Amino acid sequence: AQSVTQPDARVTVSEGASLQLRCKYSYSGTPYLFWYVQYPRQGLQLLLKYYSGDPVVQGVNGFEAEFIKSNSSFHLRKASVHWSDSAVYFCAVRRNTGNYKYVFGAGTRLKVIA
Amino acid sequence: DAGVTQTPRHEVAEKGQTIILKCEPVSGHNDLFWYRQTKIQGLELLSYFRSKSLMEDGGAFKDRFKAEMLNSSFSTLKIQPTEPKDSAVYLCASSRGLGEGAEQFFGPGTRLTVL
Repeated sequence: AQSVTQPDARVTVSEGASLQLRCKYSYSGTPYLFWYVQYPRQGLQLLLKYYSGDPVVQGVNGFEAEFIKSNSSFHLRKASVHWSDSAVYFCAVRRNTGNYKYVFGAGTRLKVIA
Repeated sequence: DAGVTQTPRHEVAEKGQTIILKCEPVSGHNDLFWYRQTKIQGLELLSYFRSKSLMEDGGAFKDRFKAEMLNSSFSTLKIQPTEPKDSAVYLCASSRGLGEGAEQFFGPGTRLTVL
């Protein structure tokens, strides 16, 4: 069965600092991997996805993530955060065959302070 | 393309009432998902449809929750009867389902309060 672990429920960083949000998944094959962001009172929005190819994927607003198969990880990174990045970030995994159900992590609440 | 539409955005119900939430997926998407989101439990899958066929019906939610896809462009989620513990945000999402079109597009959600 698939599972996703986001070990950090809350992360606080200063504006301009670099960011890494951690995600580890469990899946026997090569999954589809996603990072979503949720701003207050909104649905989830896709930041980036990994399907195949280059393990470093670029997303919107300067975010990137690296798929490391040997470590079953898909950590999200940003070189310099802005106060508007404050939101909840979700990592998700989906099979690439059969049942296309998604499994989401519990989310990491990011707070960017001045 | 229009995104996923959900109505109403807010719903207040008395305990025991029946409520129906509505969702219109992105045109051309084959997969449709209903989730419940709470601070404690996070995102919980309620139902998953592929081409209008029910693929997964969240086990814990079967007794009072019923999702239907009346056609490829409209889905409903009925909660009957409502209980205060059902207070949450209900999210609808759709996806093309295949290959690189695998990502889900989410609606803004319906915030349900049961008194």
